[in-house]
Amino acid sequence: SAVISQKPSRDICQRGTSLTIQCQVDSQVTMMFWYRQQPGQSLTLIATANQGSEATYESGFVIDKFPISRPNLTFSTLTVSNMSPEDSSIYLCSVPLAEDTQYFGPGTRLTVL
Amino acid sequence: GDSVTQMEGPVTLSEEAFLTINCTYTATGYPSLFWYVQYPGEGLQLLLKATKADDKGSNKGFEATYRKETTSFHLEKGSVQVSDSAVYFCAGGSTLGRLYFGRGTQLTVWP
Repeated sequence: SAVISQKPSRDICQRGTSLTIQCQVDSQVTMMFWYRQQPGQSLTLIATANQGSEATYESGFVIDKFPISRPNLTFSTLTVSNMSPEDSSIYLCSVPLAEDTQYFGPGTRLTVL
Repeated sequence: GDSVTQMEGPVTLSEEAFLTINCTYTATGYPSLFWYVQYPGEGLQLLLKATKADDKGSNKGFEATYRKETTSFHLEKGSVQVSDSAVYFCAGGSTLGRLYFGRGTQLTVWP
């Protein structure tokens, strides 16, 4: 199976700042997904990152808050902008490596003070 | 929209006990169904999956059968071990590759 890495693994940030999270896959994939896991909660899909086009956002998530880049088939970034304590979560990228099967990166644990 | 409803925990069992974690789905079509596991301090891992009705997914002694008539995908294991302590997530998948997750069930197994 492919190796999926994320940077940073964790960070503590101040309110009002922004953090960019990187996701790297060791094989080329058409679609990449970004999820959020709030403390004690399940995973919620933020957006689908498509190479060569704008990301597709789920209801409740907007580009101004969570801008996404997808410059090539192995890499994507998610930025959490103008952070507040409510943004404290684990952010995960995932890629489909088999039909309807997602494999997840190790996650980025974000704490906003 | 499509969703899964998962038995909430926490679930606490003694080693070698039988485990069932219930999961039902609501979908307009026939989604693929998954169980993911998150061990303490680790990332999310695929445990097993089933892509069509009557399929049985199995891995590490865990099993789940895709039952269309009851729209269920219950996770079972005949004899749990301390090392099975983790959070288990039921999930459904759309044809676009997007997943929707249940709320997760915390399992603790005592020796």
